[in-house]
Amino acid sequence: KAGVTQTPRYLIKTRGQQVTLSCSPISGHRSVSWYQQTPGQGLQFLFEYFSETQRNKGNFPGRFSGRQFSNSRSEMNVSTLELGDSALYLCASSFTAASSYEQYFGPGTRLTVT
Amino acid sequence: LAKTTQPISMDSYEGQEVNITCSHNNIATNDYITWYQQFPSQGPRFIIQGYKTKVTNEVASLFIPADRKSSTLSLPRVSLSDTAVYYCLVDPMDTGRRALTFGSGTRLQVQP
Repeated sequence: KAGVTQTPRYLIKTRGQQVTLSCSPISGHRSVSWYQQTPGQGLQFLFEYFSETQRNKGNFPGRFSGRQFSNSRSEMNVSTLELGDSALYLCASSFTAASSYEQYFGPGTRLTVT
Repeated sequence: LAKTTQPISMDSYEGQEVNITCSHNNIATNDYITWYQQFPSQGPRFIIQGYKTKVTNEVASLFIPADRKSSTLSLPRVSLSDTAVYYCLVDPMDTGRRALTFGSGTRLQVQP
């Protein structure tokens, strides 16, 4: 079974631009979560989607948004990029949104904002 | 949401047993305890999950005392490839509250 895939793997953007990251969950998984990882703040939860609905949201500004499609693939968008948005963005999928189901993480997208 | 506290780093040698303890004093009745492992430039990988007492799988054991205010991840006979960051999470069963907080993790360094 293929794992979680994220595209692109690396991205360089300029301050003020916007970016869209993509995540394809494991086949059959309906829950997708997004995380931001930086050396200073560690791994922080962004949001979770289940069946195209945002189920939960972390403490990030409105510049960070996401959506999930009917095939469970998900995208996250960051508008008006800031230098501090440079990070590894991780996507994780699970069978359902229930906590008893483990999350499978993708390799991440490394975003660099200059 | 329950906050977790773990040691920042630990050192060990190949072949030794490593025990990493996580404190979660405010754990709620419906919370699970989950541990993840992360290698550099990779996403975290699920290791083990439990609710109470002891859980064992092919890679680790998880010990949870009766009051559930802490938990201990036990890695038997570690090897160099176990060098990684280990995260303890308290994961609510209520799907409406699910917002995983990874914390700082414990950086385990295994020496030959």
